[in-house]
Amino acid sequence: QKEVEQNSGPLSVPEGAIASLNCTYSDRVSQSFFWYRQYSGKSPELIMSIYSNGDKEDGRFTAQLNKASQYVSLLIRDSQPSDSATYLCATVRYGNKLVFGAGTILRVKS
Amino acid sequence: EAQVTQNPRYLITVTGKKLTVTCSQNMNHEYMSWYRQDPGLGLRQIYYSMNVEVTDKGDVPEGYKVSRKEKRNFPLILESPSPNQTSLYFCASRTPHRDRPYEQYFGPGTRLTVT
Repeated sequence: QKEVEQNSGPLSVPEGAIASLNCTYSDRVSQSFFWYRQYSGKSPELIMSIYSNGDKEDGRFTAQLNKASQYVSLLIRDSQPSDSATYLCATVRYGNKLVFGAGTILRVKS
Repeated sequence: EAQVTQNPRYLITVTGKKLTVTCSQNMNHEYMSWYRQDPGLGLRQIYYSMNVEVTDKGDVPEGYKVSRKEKRNFPLILESPSPNQTSLYFCASRTPHRDRPYEQYFGPGTRLTVT
């Protein structure tokens, strides 16, 4: 079982819709979770971090964490074509290492 | 401007010819890492360093070496590259996990092709 699992997609949504990206993790003691956005050929960029159960909102982005169910999600409201990218979920493993999922490709159609 | 730089950005080489990819950060971060990214496998950590002269293996260290003689630099060395090391490589640096917000900055990437 992979430590961090994501559906590879592609997830296609129309412009203006809500995009919902999901991630599950296997290590119950994980405390910190991150969402990175990666455009094709570019380096990952941190867009959200979440450390406690519940929702965290930042602009059009909302991260949701449910530690009991071991999943974290990212909602993108009012999706724009510029949101088209690969979204990487990550958590900090024991030993202070970041572990990444393989990423979900998001395509926003205008 | 806070940044992580890598050089070269693109490299085509032949099997067995030693190469070094340089990485430098200007944020005085203690923690630096090297990752490789392959389709379907995501980002996998090769080596990391928690401070000067302190390095340790990540998940896929075979065939790679690193050194950390200065805080700002963390070069990746391939002593005898092989075709299975063809990949996209990222250097990264970050604040310690105990510090929040916890931010990891990535370099622009080095696309390596070994023929």
